[in-house]
Amino acid sequence: GQNIDQPTEMTATEGAIVQINCTYQTSGFNGLFWYQQHAGEAPTFLSYNVLDGLEEKGRFSSFLSRSKGYSYLLLKELQMKDSASYLCAGGSGSARQLTFGSGTQLTVLP
Amino acid sequence: GAGVSQSPRYKVTKRGQDVTLRCDPISSHATLYWYQQALGQGPEFLTYFNYEAQPDKSGLPSDRFSAERPEGSISTLTIQRTEQRDSAMYRCASSLLGGQGDEQFFGPGTRLTVL
Repeated sequence: GQNIDQPTEMTATEGAIVQINCTYQTSGFNGLFWYQQHAGEAPTFLSYNVLDGLEEKGRFSSFLSRSKGYSYLLLKELQMKDSASYLCAGGSGSARQLTFGSGTQLTVLP
Repeated sequence: GAGVSQSPRYKVTKRGQDVTLRCDPISSHATLYWYQQALGQGPEFLTYFNYEAQPDKSGLPSDRFSAERPEGSISTLTIQRTEQRDSAMYRCASSLLGGQGDEQFFGPGTRLTVL
């Protein structure tokens, strides 16, 4: 299976850096996604990792270690608009249907 | 279309009634997914389509749930004899080919409330 675990809540200050961790069971795993979901809105894609290492995209970076079943999302220079739920998701199956974690609710304080 | 659309946005029904939810994916996208999302949780996979084929129904909670995509574009999700536990947000997503790393684009969802 692909149980995905991530912290329920995190709080950080505007301008700071925050790291959101995600651990998963590796069986049937085909890549690791991060999605952002603002309250009342649809999830939107942030990043995808299939190989070990760090992928950087502007203020957001995502890291994957397949052997450890571990990923993190790093958000730099936090802004108030970054307050949202961050969903870690494993891709599996022939069409890469996603298995989501419960999400980490990030609150950015002024 | 410009994005994934779903209708209705909100549906309130009485226990025992049937409901049908509609998804209109991005027009060029071959793969369409249905997810169920409870409040405060991540979306949970129900089923997916490659064009009109439905290779995986493993996430459907019971035989009361069914989905169709007869012409490989618009899809419907039908819940028969609704129960209160079916109350949730139902989200549709589409991706270009359903391949590795393909971004899934999510629709706004249908909020279903079963009284």
